[in-house]
Amino acid sequence: QKEVEQDPGPLSVPEGAIVSLNCTYSNSAFQYFMWYRQYSRKGPELLMYTYSSGNKEDGRFTAQVDKSSKYISLFIRDSQPSDSATYLCAMSMGTGGFKTIFGAGTRLFVKA
Amino acid sequence: DTAVSQTPKYLVTQMGNDKSIKCEQNLGHDTMYWYKQDSKKFLKIMFSYNNKELIINETVPNRFSPKSPDKAHLNLHINSLELGDSAVYFCASSGGGRGGTGTGELFFGEGSRLTVL
Repeated sequence: QKEVEQDPGPLSVPEGAIVSLNCTYSNSAFQYFMWYRQYSRKGPELLMYTYSSGNKEDGRFTAQVDKSSKYISLFIRDSQPSDSATYLCAMSMGTGGFKTIFGAGTRLFVKA
Repeated sequence: DTAVSQTPKYLVTQMGNDKSIKCEQNLGHDTMYWYKQDSKKFLKIMFSYNNKELIINETVPNRFSPKSPDKAHLNLHINSLELGDSAVYFCASSGGGRGGTGTGELFFGEGSRLTVL
């Protein structure tokens, strides 16, 4: 079993749709949870960052962490064609080795 | 002014050759990394250096040898290239110092796409 599981998609939605992306994980020691966005032929960029459980909102993006279920989500409201990218969940224990573990990434296509 | 820059962006080479990728960051970060991204977009850590000291060394063939001359630079040398080495190699940096509360916020370069024929 991988430490972080993420459905690779692809996920295709019409413009304006609400998108839900999810990851599950097995290591309860993870404390920091992140979502990175990667456009084609570019490096990943940090999109959202959450410490421990809870919600965080930034514009059209909301990140949720449920540590009891070992489940994290990213919601995108009013999706735009410019949101078309690969979204990678990531997590780390935040101490010591600074190892960030990534999910496989979900490819999202938003159709105009 | 690019924060994390790596060169070259593209490498095409034959099996058995040796190649190097260079990375530089101007963010003042203490920690630098090499990640490998395969064709399915799976991103996996290979090495991490904190202030020139190797702190993460994943299960990577010893044909791969990282080197950090100073905390702003991290290079990757690959000997005897194999077909399976074809991937995109990403350099990244983060601000956490060793023993600190590393948050995992990584800043990536644009990647070096290696194709082994």
